[in-house]
Amino acid sequence: NAGVTQTPKFQVLKTGQSMTLQCAQDMNHNSMYWYRQDPGMGLRLIYYSASEGTTDKGEVPNGYNVSRLNKREFSLRLESAAPSQTSVYFCASSSGQGAVDIQYFGAGTRLSVL
Amino acid sequence: QKEVEQNSGPLSVPEGAIASLNCTYSDRGSQSFFWYRQYSGKSPELIMSIYSNGDKEDGRFTAQLNKASQYVSLLIRDSQPSDSATYLCAVNDYKLSFGAGTTVTVRA
Repeated sequence: NAGVTQTPKFQVLKTGQSMTLQCAQDMNHNSMYWYRQDPGMGLRLIYYSASEGTTDKGEVPNGYNVSRLNKREFSLRLESAAPSQTSVYFCASSSGQGAVDIQYFGAGTRLSVL
Repeated sequence: QKEVEQNSGPLSVPEGAIASLNCTYSDRGSQSFFWYRQYSGKSPELIMSIYSNGDKEDGRFTAQLNKASQYVSLLIRDSQPSDSATYLCAVNDYKLSFGAGTTVTVRA
């Protein structure tokens, strides 16, 4: 049981390049999330998908797009990468069942934009 | 005002001592509260969840919740070097909001 799988684990981009971060979960969860984590700032929500077919902006959506491809997969796209997007990106999933809703995290993608 | 505030740390405790971590939150309507542990270079993993006022114990960990004071804490008893990590407080209203984390170092 893999849980939440993210690819790639590491990526270096040049300013202006684009890329897609992939996330898949095998826990039959309804909800999926993308966070970024910067030193001293905790985890900040970029986008989330409460259920298949829906996506919503989080706290820091600018510069990103997402696609909920199916129930298992939720991708994050950087159309034109900027140095400010250098960060560690985590995907998470949860059952989406009300207040008792535990999120499980993938291993993360470490992205550097030069 | 940040939604979830944690004592900034870092917190250094001797092996065998109690580590005390604090967290305050701004939304009175928050219903569920979580503590995640994150080792350096790894992803967050859930160690405690609490939904009602009072204490909840799980092994060496105790979470305490006081909704009237909008305060949640985590106690780590008999601290071990393996407890050295960053601890993230998370509060769920309509979404999960995280504090910046408190880094704990347990000295052998």
